[in-house]
Amino acid sequence: ELKVEQNPLFLSMQEGKNYTIYCNYSTTSDRLYWYRQDPGKSLESLFVLLSNGAVKQEGRLMASLDTKARLSTLHITAAVHDLSATYFCAGLGTDKLIFGTGTRLQVFP
Amino acid sequence: NAGVTQTPKFRILKIGQSMTLQCTQDMNHNYMYWYRQDPGMGLKLIYYSVGAGITDKGEVPNGYNVSRSTTEDFPLRLELAAPSQTSVYFCASSYWGDTEAFFGQGTRLTVV
Repeated sequence: ELKVEQNPLFLSMQEGKNYTIYCNYSTTSDRLYWYRQDPGKSLESLFVLLSNGAVKQEGRLMASLDTKARLSTLHITAAVHDLSATYFCAGLGTDKLIFGTGTRLQVFP
Repeated sequence: NAGVTQTPKFRILKIGQSMTLQCTQDMNHNYMYWYRQDPGMGLKLIYYSVGAGITDKGEVPNGYNVSRSTTEDFPLRLELAAPSQTSVYFCASSYWGDTEAFFGQGTRLTVV
């Protein structure tokens, strides 16, 4: 069964800095998804990565997928406070999404 | 423009009580899911459904039951509530299994 692991689990960043969140998965997954969750809120879809080499960007966030390495990354460029949230990646198991444990991101001045 | 709607938003149950968490979607999605999220943790899949009349177990199904009599509705039933079921429950739906999933606002359940 598909297992999804993220690291780091917690990330404290200074505004203006760059960092990368890593998402590893255990078996073949044709799709990889990134979600954002603000405290006490629901999950909001950020990116859907459909194939090997896929790269998607939205503002200061860029996600990529390497299916051969079973690795997806979420890169944060020049972090701002509004990006503070928990970020989840999810892989596609048989007919269902399997989520990682999440990375809690805090951006401070 | 409702999307995925969950009710109730909050509930306190006593040990041994039962309840049903409601979930309905108006996007004509085939797939529906129930997840639970414990404090500071990720999401664990409880049950999912690939269409009306079809349900299957996820990672943590014990203590729960589901049914899917219509495309729109996917209720989650808790029988004999236990403190270990204290969690936030999210319902989600997607058109197919590999398309983007949309989440409801969650139900915060406390069992005392």
